Amino acid sequence: QVQLQQWGAGLLKPSETLSLTCAAYGGSFSGDFWGWIRQPPGKGLEWIGEINHSGIIFYNPSLKSRVTISIDTSKRQFSLKLTSVTAADTAVYYCARALTYHYDRHDYHDAFDIWGQGTMVTVSS
Amino acid sequence: QSVLTQPPSASGTPGQRVTVSCSGSSSNIGGNSVNWYQQLLGTAPKLLIYSNNQRPSGVPDRFSGSKSGASASLAISGLQSEDEADYYCTAWDDSLNVVMFGGGTKLTVL
Repeated sequence: QVQLQQWGAGLLKPSETLSLTCAAYGGSFSGDFWGWIRQPPGKGLEWIGEINHSGIIFYNPSLKSRVTISIDTSKRQFSLKLTSVTAADTAVYYCARALTYHYDRHDYHDAFDIWGQGTMVTVSS
Repeated sequence: QSVLTQPPSASGTPGQRVTVSCSGSSSNIGGNSVNWYQQLLGTAPKLLIYSNNQRPSGVPDRFSGSKSGASASLAISGLQSEDEADYYCTAWDDSLNVVMFGGGTKLTVL
């Protein structure tokens, strides 16, 4: 069974770059999509994007200009970078594995079945 | 405001059956599958239902999902105190090219 462990800086100043990394332990790494989701304090969840072992990437259009998701299959790690952060980027950031399933003649990878522990990132001057 | 609309709150007593609704449009729920998550206070979300009505291994069969047109529902039967949590629906949106989350429903077990 795959387990995810994530890490990165928890306190940033406005305009700095958020950088988080997530490592997958156990189970398979190739063949799956790996994603990032965030949750501002007291609010709902927001999908940031996801990547697979081949480097196929999907980004949330609302964040696309500032986000980079990358993967290192040799280390079984994937990373998130978010540039020019503001207070609005303050949130708990989760890494997660996307379950691949087949529905109505299409393959989907939008259901996240394994999650990291979450990292609280605060943006404050 | 989320494209997927959920009631902000729901409640029930132990043993009761409760449902949580999720309303969308043809570009999301109407044309794609729906997933549901449970988030206990202070913890990461847990996948409860995927592909409208499929339960991942380990999820009790008290939890069930359904979809009709551009709406979906999560049903919890035999409500237990440990079911008190936030519940989120999600679906891919073909117009926005994004995984949409509903705003979440806070379930209280009275």
